[in-house]
Amino acid sequence: DAGVTQSPTHLIKTRGQQVTLRCSPKSGHDTVSWYQQALGQGPQFIFQYYEEEERQRGNFPDRFSGHQFPNYSSELNVNALLLGDSALYLCASSLWGGGLSTEAFFGQGTRLTVV
Amino acid sequence: GQQVMQIPQYQHVQEGEDFTTYCNSSTTLSNIQWYKQRPGGHPVFLIQLVKSGEVKKQKRLTFQFGEAKKNSSLHITATQTTDVGTYFCAVIQGAQKLVFGQGTRLTINP
Repeated sequence: DAGVTQSPTHLIKTRGQQVTLRCSPKSGHDTVSWYQQALGQGPQFIFQYYEEEERQRGNFPDRFSGHQFPNYSSELNVNALLLGDSALYLCASSLWGGGLSTEAFFGQGTRLTVV
Repeated sequence: GQQVMQIPQYQHVQEGEDFTTYCNSSTTLSNIQWYKQRPGGHPVFLIQLVKSGEVKKQKRLTFQFGEAKKNSSLHITATQTTDVGTYFCAVIQGAQKLVFGQGTRLTINP
C-alpha cells in the first residue's frame, strides 16, 4: 500500500520562474492538502482539494494555485517565484468524511530553492 | 481561526532525561493532534485528543488534553536518541485544515 508520494524531491528555480509540484495521495484517500514549511517553522496551510475543487485556502497569494485530477492526485503551481518561496512543500492526504477523527498522512515533501 | 502557541522552541537533554512540550491556546480547542518530524523528514501523526482531561500513552510518550481544552502536553520519559526531532501540535479547523504550532525541537546528548 503506497503512502503519499511527491515529486520531485528537490528543485532549484530562478526568481520569476514558475514551478509545478506533484502529489499522489495514499491509496483510498480522496482529499489532498498542501502545506509550506519554511526552515525552522511549522507547516502553513496553502489549500485543500476534494472532488477536484479547492475547498479551503490559507493566507497565500494567487500566485499559488492547484489542481486535483479524477484519480485524486494533485498539483501545486507557483508563478512568479520569489526568494521567499524557498521552503519544503508538503502534501497531506486524508479522507474527506473523516471529520475530527481524520489523521493526515504527509509525503516526504519537495524542497524548493529559489535563487 | 484558532491558533496554538508551543513552548519551548528548543530543548536539549541528556539521554535518559525526561522531556515535555506544551501547546496553549487562548480559545477552547475542539481537538488537538501531535506530530513528530525527524530531521530532514516529514511530519508523522502521533495521536489525536478530543476529550476534556484526556490522557493517552504510547510507550514512553504521554499526551494530555487540559480540562478546559485550551492546552495540551506531550511528555517523553527517559528519552532515547531515536526521540530526536521536532514535535508539533496541530488543530483541525474546518474540513481537515491543520493549524500547526511552531514546534519544539528536541536534541539529545547521548
